[in-house]
Amino acid sequence: DVKVTQSSRYLVKRTGEKVFLECVQDMDHENMFWYRQDPGLGLRLIYFSYDVKMKEKGDIPEGYSVSREKKERFSLILESASTNQTSMYLCASSPSGRGADTQYFGPGTRLTVL
Amino acid sequence: GENVEQHPSTLSVQEGDSAVIKCTYSDSASNYFPWYKQELGKGPQLIIDIRSNVGEKKDQRIAVTLNKTAKHFSLHITETQPEDSAVYFCAASINTGNQFYFGTGTSLTVIP
Repeated sequence: DVKVTQSSRYLVKRTGEKVFLECVQDMDHENMFWYRQDPGLGLRLIYFSYDVKMKEKGDIPEGYSVSREKKERFSLILESASTNQTSMYLCASSPSGRGADTQYFGPGTRLTVL
Repeated sequence: GENVEQHPSTLSVQEGDSAVIKCTYSDSASNYFPWYKQELGKGPQLIIDIRSNVGEKKDQRIAVTLNKTAKHFSLHITETQPEDSAVYFCAASINTGNQFYFGTGTSLTVIP
């Protein structure tokens, strides 16, 4: 079974803090993704990565950065957290370098920024 | 870019009845259409998918249909059970990009 794990289920941070969300997958997938999920807006792509040290912007990258130093790990960084970044963050991975393949999701991190 | 619309946003059905969720997409180049189920407190899980060279796919009580001409696809759940209660998301993807464009979700409630 594919397993995607996220470092925290719940996180509370203060405005201006630097926040790290970690995601690890154990199936040697090339692709990894970070989404945020908000009521009525569905899942919106923040960043994705096809390979180690490679990243591409999704639809809403502003205020976020990412890091992929190892194939199995993809980190989402909020350089200076703001209240409008309060959301559910979902990490996903998929097995192909190219082509449309199923994305497997982690359980999510619910981030609250006070 | 691709735009995926999903309807209805909420759906309540009696146990044993059928449920249908519909999605439309805008980019005719999209050729992969997965459906995800998200239970409370969990991440989305793939339940069925369809590629553009197929018009219908079934897996037990779940089926997906695709109309490429009209650019819409639908999820059908028959003989619904309380454990089918969840939020369902459709998505569309263009093969070369692997970026998924998600609908806004449908909250399905199956009433015992």
